[in-house]
Amino acid sequence: RKEVEQDPGPFNVPEGATVAFNCTYSNSASQSFFWYRQDCRKEPKLLMSVYSSGNEDGRFTAQLNRASQYISLLIRDSKLSDSATYLCVVNELRGYNKLIFGAGTRLAVHP
Amino acid sequence: GAGVSQSPSNKVTEKGKDVELRCDPISGHTALYWYRQSLGQGLEFLIYFQGNSAPDKSGLPSDRFSAERTGGSVSTLTIQRTQQEDSAVYLCASSFHGQGKEMIAKNIQYFGAGTRLSVL
Repeated sequence: RKEVEQDPGPFNVPEGATVAFNCTYSNSASQSFFWYRQDCRKEPKLLMSVYSSGNEDGRFTAQLNRASQYISLLIRDSKLSDSATYLCVVNELRGYNKLIFGAGTRLAVHP
Repeated sequence: GAGVSQSPSNKVTEKGKDVELRCDPISGHTALYWYRQSLGQGLEFLIYFQGNSAPDKSGLPSDRFSAERTGGSVSTLTIQRTQQEDSAVYLCASSFHGQGKEMIAKNIQYFGAGTRLSVL
């Protein structure tokens, strides 16, 4: 079983749609969680951290369920510029910040 | 510079040749990481540096791969006798390194644009 699992997609949605991505992780001792965004042939960039209480940043909402070891990302009112691969990332904190990356979920927003 | 810098951006080499990839982290970041990303795949951890030492090199796929860091800054990843399966994008990231709760708070990793390695 992979340490961090994501649906690879692609998710093809029209502009304005709401889309949700899910992610599960296997190590219950994981300490912190993130969503990174990666555009085609570019480096990953931090989108947002994920907190147990859930957090929102504009059109983006992230949720964490520690009991189920499940992380989600909700994007409302999708824009063409949201088209990218979204990487679910878990920090296993093995004496240092060891980040484990999911393979990513590809989103394509069309007009 | 302001961000993580990697060079070269692209490298084409022949099978069996050695290659060196360079990473210049963000100034003041003591932690440095190397990852590999094959086409359509997620990031695969290779090695972690804290200062000039590498407490975790468990991700290096074979003894053909080595890395060093000097002056707590620039790092070089070397691949000897390259094979076609080494073709990938090699990404470097850097971050601060705190202790305890500060470690978690400062754990954002910033990535360079990567070196795209093609082994013919």
